[in-house]
Amino acid sequence: QTVVTQEPSFSVSPGGTVTLTCGLSSGSVSTTHYPSWYQQTPGQAPRALIYNTNTRSSGVPDRFSGSILGNKAALTITGAQADDESDYYCVLYMGSGIWVFGGGTKLTV
Amino acid sequence: EVRLVETGGGLIQPGGSLRLSCVASGFTVSSNYMSWVRQAPGKGLEWVSVIYSGGNTFYADSVKGRFTISRDNSNNTLYLQMNSLRAEDTAVYYCANLGGGKRFGFDPWGQGTLVTVSS
Repeated sequence: QTVVTQEPSFSVSPGGTVTLTCGLSSGSVSTTHYPSWYQQTPGQAPRALIYNTNTRSSGVPDRFSGSILGNKAALTITGAQADDESDYYCVLYMGSGIWVFGGGTKLTV
Repeated sequence: EVRLVETGGGLIQPGGSLRLSCVASGFTVSSNYMSWVRQAPGKGLEWVSVIYSGGNTFYADSVKGRFTISRDNSNNTLYLQMNSLRAEDTAVYYCANLGGGKRFGFDPWGQGTLVTVSS
């Protein structure tokens, strides 16, 4: 069974830029996986950031961007702020109606 | 305002059944792909099930044969019938609009409802 991989943790300095990735245990991520990204703080429901690889959800600041980098999907945060400290999850469409979330990345700012 | 509100969670014994509800406002459930996602305590997100606008349904292997997703178009409500519950089904269950058509992303999400399976 294919696993969606994310960095368990990442650290960025305030004002810095960080790129989180979302890969597959077997194969490459492409736009046909419809990668999307979510931010979650403790005790709260997830908040959508990016869908369809690189489209920002309504109200999401433009310092969040999505892309395909090499064989992975990527979420880049430019000018990190203290309140960006959260868990970040990606999810990929595997075909046949099946979606799989990555294990999440805990971002420290 | 686009909103989702889940209800129906609670404490249930192993082997028992529970039905979760998710009432939508601000959009039409039947015109969208609607999904359930769960999160066990201290763990990550796990996709559970989806129902397409056309009515097709799909499930994660972990719940296939035990859980059933459905919707009530007249009440704009999504359901998750959970049978043969196990301890490992303990989680906060979220409903979310997956979109469909040109947009595939879980947005918005409900606030979640906690299901605890324990004797």
